[in-house]
Amino acid sequence: ETGVTQTPRHLVMGMTNKKSLKCEQHLGHNAMYWYKQSAKKPLELMFVYSLEERVENNSVPSRFSPECPNSSHLFLHLHTLQPEDSALYLCASSPRLNYGYTFGSGTRLTVV
Amino acid sequence: AQTVTQSQPEMSVQEAETVTLSCTYDTSESNYYLFWYKQPPSRQMILVIRQEAYKQQNATENRFSVNFQKAAKSFSLKISDSQLGDTAMYFCAFIGTSGSRLTFGEGTQLTVNP
Repeated sequence: ETGVTQTPRHLVMGMTNKKSLKCEQHLGHNAMYWYKQSAKKPLELMFVYSLEERVENNSVPSRFSPECPNSSHLFLHLHTLQPEDSALYLCASSPRLNYGYTFGSGTRLTVV
Repeated sequence: AQTVTQSQPEMSVQEAETVTLSCTYDTSESNYYLFWYKQPPSRQMILVIRQEAYKQQNATENRFSVNFQKAAKSFSLKISDSQLGDTAMYFCAFIGTSGSRLTFGEGTQLTVNP
């Protein structure tokens, strides 16, 4: 375990469902991130939070909605997803911006 | 904008041998950090090694070492005495001291053969 925990590990959802991905870090870090990893594509940064404020939103469709209620927790709320949204979603944290990340194990999302 | 390029999509090496993975990057920043991450089939992205650009000395972590050539913007990873557990996707990554995002290369799939 790296200190960054993601749940669930696997998620299958229909296009009309609403679900949430959860990320929790116990490292005392101040920044948290969501990345999308699709097959044969580079990792795509989705959102960056620093001290619970969103500092970057990388042109992500509105069907993905992040929430950071405190510096230890990060959520990704999903609704009306498309099959092309199927991917591995990785959460990461870092002590501060512009520092190396610690990653969680990811949530494998399949949209059917 | 920063870019990170890994020109070797796949590599293989025999157990106990040495292998070098290549990475080049492009940036206008003078100070930054470079990383190598390993992602085995378990999906966990694990930090292998970290290099600060203002340090000329190459970073080393046990069997892993880097060859950092700042002028050439090159950051290769050398794995000595390769082990079966080293089989994984390896990502080179960059972050500038003024930035908020870690930029990744496309990855190199390394297979260690018995």
